[in-house]
Amino acid sequence: DTGVSQDPRHKITKRGQNVTFRCDPISEHNRLYWYRQTLGQGPEFLTYFQNEAQLEKSRLLSDRFSAERPKGSFSTLEIQRTEQGDSAMYLCASSPRGSENYGYTFGSGTRLTVV
Amino acid sequence: AQSVTQLGSHVSVSEGALVLLRCNYSSSVPPYLFWYVQYPNQGLQLLLKYTSAATLVKGINGFEAEFKKSETSFHLTKPSAHMSDAAEYFCATTRAGFGNEKLTFGTGTRLTIIP
Repeated sequence: DTGVSQDPRHKITKRGQNVTFRCDPISEHNRLYWYRQTLGQGPEFLTYFQNEAQLEKSRLLSDRFSAERPKGSFSTLEIQRTEQGDSAMYLCASSPRGSENYGYTFGSGTRLTVV
Repeated sequence: AQSVTQLGSHVSVSEGALVLLRCNYSSSVPPYLFWYVQYPNQGLQLLLKYTSAATLVKGINGFEAEFKKSETSFHLTKPSAHMSDAAEYFCATTRAGFGNEKLTFGTGTRLTIIP
């Protein structure tokens, strides 16, 4: 297993366009998280899944954002009608469920630039 | 709610000198605490984690951190800085015993190593 994979690594889009990012977690991890990181800041939680169920969504996740994890494997994060304020690094992480192994593994991220 | 505060957004140390990066936590329940490192345009790599097994935690690359409940601190140290340690460091927390919930991050500390 090569870890958490995110695609694409970089995305440049025009304001108003829709974008979709993909995350492939570590295969045996059933929890998957999305974070957003703006320049000079720490990652901010957006949402997380346990298997295919979306368990929590941040207030940062406006109506233009939607995340899915069909079949409990890979996940997609879609941003509709992008705005310049959406420019950020979008990080995905996965972890096994359970209180004994707090092992969150992060992907390399997708850097979004909205022009 | 869980939170962490990182004191000092930028820290510079000479090569071979002691590295000390500060993190204080605020939590109404026992916390688990983490330090992550991020290199430019990369994801986050776990340095070490405190999950109540031992208050002095040793991590990768010669880093260690000590959980001090009386001071609500979890400072990161390394006895001798190396040029390769130059990066952004993030402290993070989650609730203990709740099975891999979301992480809450600090704003980060950029470490510069002076040759």
